[in-house]
Amino acid sequence: SQTIHQWPATLVQPVGSPLSLECTVEGTSNPNLYWYRQAAGRGLQLLFYSVGIGQISSEVPQNLSASRPQDRQFILSSKKLLLSDSGFYLCAWEPRESEKLFFGSGTQLSVL
Amino acid sequence: GIQVEQSPPDLILQEGANSTLRCNFSDSVNNLQWFHQNPWGQLINLFYIPSGTKQNGRLSATTVATERYSLLYISSSQTTDSGVYFCAVPSYGAGSYQLTFGKGTKLSVIP
Repeated sequence: SQTIHQWPATLVQPVGSPLSLECTVEGTSNPNLYWYRQAAGRGLQLLFYSVGIGQISSEVPQNLSASRPQDRQFILSSKKLLLSDSGFYLCAWEPRESEKLFFGSGTQLSVL
Repeated sequence: GIQVEQSPPDLILQEGANSTLRCNFSDSVNNLQWFHQNPWGQLINLFYIPSGTKQNGRLSATTVATERYSLLYISSSQTTDSGVYFCAVPSYGAGSYQLTFGKGTKLSVIP
């Protein structure tokens, strides 16, 4: 069966520090991968999606970047965090043969 | 882009009660998904339902694509049903695809 792992669960970082959040999917090949952010107040905002290794599309201009170095690995990064980067970050995957979306457990990021 | 509206925004239920959550969308879609986010933040895919009705235990969902809405029914609610329920529909661009989420219905089930 397929599983998605996302870590860390919580992270407290100072303003100006770098960020690296990692997500991996097991039990499937060539998935579509996504990073979402959920600010307080519930809305889910799509940040990045990837249809293959090295293929990244960005939905909103921001201080963040994403990379997909391996088929089932998706990384969210920042060189210098801003206060406004605080939020709940969710990785998600979707099998190629379906548009059904599955989420990781999320990372609560607090930038202080 | 496509608009997704969910109602009600908040709902408080006594344990054992039934409820209906609604999702309206502004354009034709070929699928719709319902998610439950528990109080710890985990988002679970409840239903992938392009049309018709599906049931999973005490939950069922109906999508009427021609009328651009979907309903999520929760019967005999339990405290573990608490959380936020989202619906999401796809939108397609030039070679791209993404899900658009509604703002959710926050359900609180009290003992």
